Amino acid sequence: QQQVKQSPQSLIVQKGGIPIINCAYENTAFDYFPWYQQFPGKGPALLIAIRPDVSEKKEGRFTISFNKSAKQFSLHIMDSQPGDSATYFCAAGRGGADGLTFGKGTHLIIQP
Amino acid sequence: DTEVTQTPKHLVMGMTNKKSLKCEQHMGHRAMYWYKQKAKKPPELMFVYSYEKLSINESVPSRFSPECPNSSLLNLHLHALQPEDSALYLCASSQDTGYTGELFFGEGSRLTVL
Repeated sequence: QQQVKQSPQSLIVQKGGIPIINCAYENTAFDYFPWYQQFPGKGPALLIAIRPDVSEKKEGRFTISFNKSAKQFSLHIMDSQPGDSATYFCAAGRGGADGLTFGKGTHLIIQP
Repeated sequence: DTEVTQTPKHLVMGMTNKKSLKCEQHMGHRAMYWYKQKAKKPPELMFVYSYEKLSINESVPSRFSPECPNSSLLNLHLHALQPEDSALYLCASSQDTGYTGELFFGEGSRLTVL
């Protein structure tokens, strides 16, 4: 599977701050870019996803920014809360039944 | 119903045991997946079933044997596992593999091999 590079590996932000997690991909055939949130002992849950025909997507406090030419996308969490503390995975996929390729994950801690 | 249900939640087995993990979804999804996740690592794709046929096997050792009895069920048969196979095994489903849309994950089966 093609690689998806995610950074940072861990991130600590004060409550109300805006954590930003970045991902970069190599395969230009990818056409679907989701972010998953995973709490300890739970399966990953889809947070938000974007396709390459838009540069930004917002859902509640979560925003994806997408730069097709740079092959990068990022997750911003507005007004972050301690309940947002989790591991976040970016991923990339393409039509053709390959499943998803995941980044290595970011362990996010929001301090009260 | 947007759930993927996995059983058992926890499994401990010896290296000579034979056990199975089960997964069920009732969302009408035609693609089902097995992923393996080690601690502090991302999920790694193992198998993909599309319309009840195995479409992807990511070079998984034969001690893992998937089975898709029908479009709602997915099993993973385990035999002669090694301690390094201890991990969280995640099942997921999606509407169709031709459209890489939302993957719905179950909560996983945590496997410990002694």
